[in-house]
Amino acid sequence: DIQMTQSPSSLSASVGDRVTITCRASQSIISYLNWYQQKPGKAPKLLIYTASSLQSGVPSRFSGSGSGTDFTLTISSLQPEDFAAYYCQQSYSTPFTFGQGTKLEIK
Amino acid sequence: QVQLQESGPGLVKPSETLSLTCTVSGGSISSYYLGWIRQPPGKGLDWIGYIYYSGTTNYNPSLKSRVTISVDTSKNQFSLKLSSVTAADTAVYYCARLRGTSSSLGWFDPWGQGTLVTVSS
Repeated sequence: DIQMTQSPSSLSASVGDRVTITCRASQSIISYLNWYQQKPGKAPKLLIYTASSLQSGVPSRFSGSGSGTDFTLTISSLQPEDFAAYYCQQSYSTPFTFGQGTKLEIK
Repeated sequence: QVQLQESGPGLVKPSETLSLTCTVSGGSISSYYLGWIRQPPGKGLDWIGYIYYSGTTNYNPSLKSRVTISVDTSKNQFSLKLSSVTAADTAVYYCARLRGTSSSLGWFDPWGQGTLVTVSS
C-alpha cells in the first residue's frame, strides 16, 4: 500500500494568513493526488483533484501543487470558514489511501 | 445535482453482518463508479471499496475477506455488507461517487452525509 503522510498534524493560524499543508507519498504517485476539507460532523468535501485542479465551486484561495511524492495545499488568505480538517488521498493505485489529516485551528 | 444518502442500522452486534444502503438521487447510476469509505470516531479516512454500475468491484485487501458491495440499478442504489464485525468496525460510513479521467479513477465527489454504525452487544 502507498503510505500518505501529512504535515503538520495540526496548525494554528489567523484569519488572513497564508497556510500551506504538505502531503508526502511513500512512492511516486505522479499527479494522482486529491485534497478534501472536513468540518466537524460533516462529510469530506472535495477541494482539489489531480494535484492542482480546483473543484467547481471551491474558492480560488485554495490551490494545490506538486508531483511525484511531494504535494502541497495552499490557502492564500484564511477565512473563518476554512478552519477544518484537511486530508490528502492518493488515487495512483488501489487500495486508495488517505493521509492522517491536518487540523487547522484558529490562533 | 447528484446526492447520496446512506441508510441502515446504527447498532450491530459483534460477529454479525453490517448492512448499509446508499441511495443516489439527481442522476442515474448507470455509468457511475460508487464507493464506500469509513472513519472511526476521531480518526482518519479508510477506503473500503468501490463498484461499477455493471457490478465490477474492487475491495481494500485489508477488508476483502469480509466485504461485499453490490448494486441495484433499478433502484439507483448500492449496498455494503461487512461480515463478522468487531468493535474495530465502529465508524461513520460514507458512500460517495468515484470520479476520474479516461485513464484512471481518482477522487470522491460528492459524498453522502455519513451514518454512524456502532458495534456493541
